[in-house]
Amino acid sequence: GAGVSQSPSNKVTEKGKDVELRCDPISGHTALYWYRQSLGQGLEFLIYFQGNSAPDKSGLPSDRFSAERTGGSVSTLTIQRTQQEDSAVYLCASSPRLAGQETQYFGPGTRLLVL
Amino acid sequence: QKEVEQDPGPLSVPEGAIVSLNCTYSNSAFQYFMWYRQYSRKGPELLMYTYSSGNKEDGRFTAQVDKSSKYISLFIRDSQPSDSATYLCAMRMTSGTYKYIFGTGTRLKVLA
Repeated sequence: GAGVSQSPSNKVTEKGKDVELRCDPISGHTALYWYRQSLGQGLEFLIYFQGNSAPDKSGLPSDRFSAERTGGSVSTLTIQRTQQEDSAVYLCASSPRLAGQETQYFGPGTRLLVL
Repeated sequence: QKEVEQDPGPLSVPEGAIVSLNCTYSNSAFQYFMWYRQYSRKGPELLMYTYSSGNKEDGRFTAQVDKSSKYISLFIRDSQPSDSATYLCAMRMTSGTYKYIFGTGTRLKVLA
């Protein structure tokens, strides 16, 4: 079946502009994650949504970052007033969150370049 | 100090070699341990998952967890050029949170 999709694949923006990144999780998956991957930094946790529970926002690096998940499905990560240090690959993952199921299914990522 | 440490490599080995990839961690509350493989310009995919201590084998892959040393390993037997990728370890604490902490990843190159 269809995997996790993300759009756009690539985004080039100017410093100070706002950007929106979209994630379409696998249908029926209740858990959704956003990560940031910079060169040599591994995957940095940003935010986690689980069903109707309040999201875990503990990884968001500043108040310029926000995310929402509408109807328990599609999610949007918004970065306001982008800075050059925001340049990275932003990865989304979803999980069915079943007992004994630790698998996260990742999308291909959005490559963000802030000039 | 990072919660999870992983040598970034790159690690180059000849085809057929046994590869050992490792992570150390500082938080003794971690109970769930995973290894992901990430090919260039792709998202990571889960290879192995282990709960608490012990070994787990799946084909050419073996995952080991030593909680007393806070050390986890992934062994790849009979390595193939198609195993060339970045390998990331990940872990999380017991129930209460599903927040995963990832290592920086080790780049592996298997030479034909």
